[in-house]
Amino acid sequence: DVKVTQSSRYLVKRTGEKVFLECVQDMDHENMFWYRQDPGLGLRLIYFSYDVKMKEKGDIPEGYSVSREKKERFSLILESASTNQTSMYLCASSQSLGAADTEAFFGQGTRLTVV
Amino acid sequence: AQKVTQAQTEISVVEKEDVTLDCVYETRDTTYYLFWYKQPPSGELVFLIRRNSFDEQNEISGRYSWNFQKSTSSFNFTITASQVVDSAVYFCALSDRYSGNTPLVFGKGTRLSVIA
Repeated sequence: DVKVTQSSRYLVKRTGEKVFLECVQDMDHENMFWYRQDPGLGLRLIYFSYDVKMKEKGDIPEGYSVSREKKERFSLILESASTNQTSMYLCASSQSLGAADTEAFFGQGTRLTVV
Repeated sequence: AQKVTQAQTEISVVEKEDVTLDCVYETRDTTYYLFWYKQPPSGELVFLIRRNSFDEQNEISGRYSWNFQKSTSSFNFTITASQVVDSAVYFCALSDRYSGNTPLVFGKGTRLSVIA
């Protein structure tokens, strides 16, 4: 059974903390993604990576960074967490990009609350 | 630019009713793919269907069916005889060769509530 696993389902962090969200996939996929999901706004792409050590900004990269040191792992970093980063974060992976005929597989999500 | 519009924010139906979720897309590409995902309360998005732009055949899978019409840029999803387990947020998504920095463009989702 293919899997994308996010390290935490729920996190509560304080304003100003550095926060790491971890994601691991076991499908040997080239591409990995981080989205955030907010009510009324749907899914918005933060960053994605198409290869180890490669990254591309998505629609809303401000306040975030990412790391992909190994193919199977993609980390999202909040350098200094703020309350407006309270959200659901979803990690995904896929084999192809652009006009892709393969679907993306998603993790179960991490609900982050910044207080 | 690519865009996916799900005009229905929330829908509520009584069990056993049929319900259609609308999806309208915009793309300048001639080669593209459309997707539907289901997000149950557990949070994980579950892939339902993929359709490419050259295949306009409608598809049926059990109680689910999809109607793809290029003429109206729509890819609507119908659930027949809805059940409580169908309650979820449903997302329509688009992928094309110009997606670039946004490889998969999602609509804002439609929350479906099926009441027993």
